[in-house]
Amino acid sequence: GAVVSQHPSRVICKSGTSVKIECRSLDFQATTMFWYRQFPKQSLMLMATSNEGSKATYEQGVEKDKFLINHASLTLSTLTVTSAHPEDSSFYICSALPAEIYNEQFFGPGTRLTVL
Amino acid sequence: AQKVTQAQTEISVVEKEDVTLDCVYETRDTTYYLFWYKQPPSGELVFLIRRNSFDEQNEISGRYSWNFQKSTSSFNFTITASQVVDSAVYFCALSEANTGGFKTIFGAGTRLFVKA
Repeated sequence: GAVVSQHPSRVICKSGTSVKIECRSLDFQATTMFWYRQFPKQSLMLMATSNEGSKATYEQGVEKDKFLINHASLTLSTLTVTSAHPEDSSFYICSALPAEIYNEQFFGPGTRLTVL
Repeated sequence: AQKVTQAQTEISVVEKEDVTLDCVYETRDTTYYLFWYKQPPSGELVFLIRRNSFDEQNEISGRYSWNFQKSTSSFNFTITASQVVDSAVYFCALSEANTGGFKTIFGAGTRLFVKA
């Protein structure tokens, strides 16, 4: 149980295009989902906290107009990288916090974004 | 404010050696959770352990053991008789229960190389 999927697992796009990444909790409902970014050989940095039905809370330094987050249901959150540039190339990881287990989050497998 | 320090950037050992990965944390909360994750080259995070702030009991799971000491704010991880498959990046992480949304902060990670 407690499986989180991400789609796509890998995406390559041209500079200036927008890319959407989906994060799904497959066998549980998640009132809260988190989005992380990880640059090569670096740690995971929290980008934003997404709560179902409300606006996401972004960490300091993360542009909310560039990284659009939508958490429309208890099993799906999406991250859209708008007008992507090469510096946005990174590994994006989501995690989901089950409604009934408040102290453990489950991570997706990650999405590797390459912007040419 | 939360902070997790993993001072060891890289560690290289020979197979069958024991190795300890250090983790020091900072928090003002009395209720918090500490985690260790393994990140193999594939990128997907593998959950290893969760420990809450009220449980200082050390834990052993096979070749893995964890030493939690609140007095020194440390949560160290030891791999006994290391194997090549243990080669990965290991992250220590901290979540504060009183922070809205159970935000998790990761340390910088320790890259472990186990040579045959």
